[in-house]
Amino acid sequence: DADVTQTPRNRITKTGKRIMLECSQTKGHDRMYWYRQDPGLGLQLIYYSFDVKDINKGEISDGYSVSRQAQAKFSLSLESAIPNQTALYFCATSADYTDTQYFGPGTRLTVL
Amino acid sequence: AQTVTQSQPEMSVQEAETVTLSCTYDTSESNYYLFWYKQPPSRQMILVIRQEAYKQQNATENRFSVNFQKAAKSFSLKISDSQLGDTAMYFCAFMRGSGNTPLVFGKGTRLSVIA
Repeated sequence: DADVTQTPRNRITKTGKRIMLECSQTKGHDRMYWYRQDPGLGLQLIYYSFDVKDINKGEISDGYSVSRQAQAKFSLSLESAIPNQTALYFCATSADYTDTQYFGPGTRLTVL
Repeated sequence: AQTVTQSQPEMSVQEAETVTLSCTYDTSESNYYLFWYKQPPSRQMILVIRQEAYKQQNATENRFSVNFQKAAKSFSLKISDSQLGDTAMYFCAFMRGSGNTPLVFGKGTRLSVIA
């Protein structure tokens, strides 16, 4: 969905480096999410935010942190990247708790 | 905790045929939402169809329809007149209808449409 953008689309980094993945949306949604996708495991929730002041851990938050800079922006950071964080990362947004989630195009991250 | 199970890791279908993908879920909630998402090779996650648990009528979107069996906690996706562009991973997802809870995904079914 072009209304949800992620940068970068692909990134290769080295173990121990700090990296930030960014998500922006023009849908005007309050809720934003970060998911991780590994082959054969579906999508797992890392963090989610229901508004600028509300941030919650998901099922696999260890090793990650987030920042909700504005309603439209939600960033995911890996403070010290490790190889098992190699995965596809998705940002998603929704208007409220009954709403469908709309996904960005994903960021493929490789940690060497 | 809610769980979503897709028991078919891979499936294939001939072009123009019909295929059904299975999904079961476990919940004690009475109000919830179910979704099917498609992920083609481009890796974009695309909403295929959505079903509200309080609605008895099965959702339909063009060639895509669901068979929602609430008592059995089953939510299968039927794709009619399969097209090559339907080749993708398909994910079933569950969301509670109350409170602030995000999506729970199944592990996906890889569908190949063969010419």
